[in-house]
Amino acid sequence: AQKITQTQPGMFVQEKEAVTLDCTYDTSDQSYGLFWYKQPSSGEMIFLIYQGSYDEQNATEGRYSLNFQKARKSANLVISASQLGDSAMYFCAISGTAAGNKLTFGGGTRVLVKP
Amino acid sequence: DSGVTQTPKHLITATGQRVTLRCSPRSGDLSVYWYQQSLDQGLQFLIQYYNGEERAKGNILERFSAQQFPDLHSELNLSSLELGDSALYFCASSVAATSGRFTDTQYFGPGTRLTVL
Repeated sequence: AQKITQTQPGMFVQEKEAVTLDCTYDTSDQSYGLFWYKQPSSGEMIFLIYQGSYDEQNATEGRYSLNFQKARKSANLVISASQLGDSAMYFCAISGTAAGNKLTFGGGTRVLVKP
Repeated sequence: DSGVTQTPKHLITATGQRVTLRCSPRSGDLSVYWYQQSLDQGLQFLIQYYNGEERAKGNILERFSAQQFPDLHSELNLSSLELGDSALYFCASSVAATSGRFTDTQYFGPGTRLTVL
């Protein structure tokens, strides 16, 4: 079984500052993938970034980067230079060998960017 | 725009009724996934199809069924609807069924918001 824990239900961040969203996971799989999705108030789920369990480098995509610490089973998302449009729910998810390609999601973190 | 389309965007119906949600995957994607997002259960995987065949099943109720057609679009059928079925239903698509290095990212459609009255 796989489990994702996002301990921060909500947070405020000042515009142009960086914010770190926590994600810890539990899995019995040796190979797995970690994903972050953004869900704005309009409801759609937007893929942000992916990290493979065997990737040696931390993933980066524009203003998004992933702080992956495999031994600690954490995959924190860092958003640099926050913008008002970053206000949304953010979900961490995992897929793994035993689970096929299905995603198991955490409960999400709501981010509100203040001007 | 993810390239995944879902219709309808909103659906309001009564308890006991049956509805069909439709999804068209991104061009070239063979896998379709259905997820349910509700306030009490969060985001949950329901079922996956790959190239017309069922590949994985999650927490899908027996009242729910799905299929993927030869043109790769998928439908999720919900019957004998209950108040608790009210939720946002997402379809996602990806290229493959599984990927050894899990680079097979799932792209989500805009969702269908189902309200059961």
